[in-house]
Amino acid sequence: NAGVMQNPRHLVRRRGQEARLRCSPMKGHSHVYWYRQLPEEGLKFMVYLQKENIIDESGMPKERFSAEFPKEGPSILRIQQVVRGDSAAYFCASRGETGIFIGGYNEQFFGPGTRLTVL
Amino acid sequence: RKEVEQDPGPFNVPEGATVAFNCTYSNSASQSFFWYRQDCRKEPKLLMSVYSSGNEDGRFTAQLNRASQYISLLIRDSKLSDSATYLCAVNNNDMRFGAGTRLTVKP
Repeated sequence: NAGVMQNPRHLVRRRGQEARLRCSPMKGHSHVYWYRQLPEEGLKFMVYLQKENIIDESGMPKERFSAEFPKEGPSILRIQQVVRGDSAAYFCASRGETGIFIGGYNEQFFGPGTRLTVL
Repeated sequence: RKEVEQDPGPFNVPEGATVAFNCTYSNSASQSFFWYRQDCRKEPKLLMSVYSSGNEDGRFTAQLNRASQYISLLIRDSKLSDSATYLCAVNNNDMRFGAGTRLTVKP
């Protein structure tokens, strides 16, 4: 049972280029979350998606950032015209459906992250 | 006010010490609570869920105080391998994480 997969693990871009980060959730999981972690800082929520729908994007910068989770394929976090301040670790997490049998707890499982460096 | 707040530390303790972390949350409607552990340059991994009645897993004890809106994590007889950053997480409809508390256990 493969865990959450993210690729690439490391991504280097020059200012102005585009970055595409991919996340494949755990098998059977339809909920995906993206987080950003700056060096020496905590996780910051960016966006929550369920298949083909954006549920909550309150943590996403208004410009240059977008996310999708198509019916088929991985979730994509896209950053256009990257700037140095975008350099961070981007983590994806997935979860299954909350059910009464697990007491309503909806644990998130994290992928290994993509470390983006903008030169 | 941040949704979830933690003391960033760092906590530097000797092996065998008992150390406690607290975490406060602002949304009284929050439904579930967790502690995650994150090693340097790695992803967070679930350490334990926090139940209303409190729960214990070996050397780790987690407690929830809904009235005061905080959760705590107690580590007894700390080991060198406990050195990591500990993140509390609070869930309503979405998970919100604290910034983490860094723990270093020294010989």
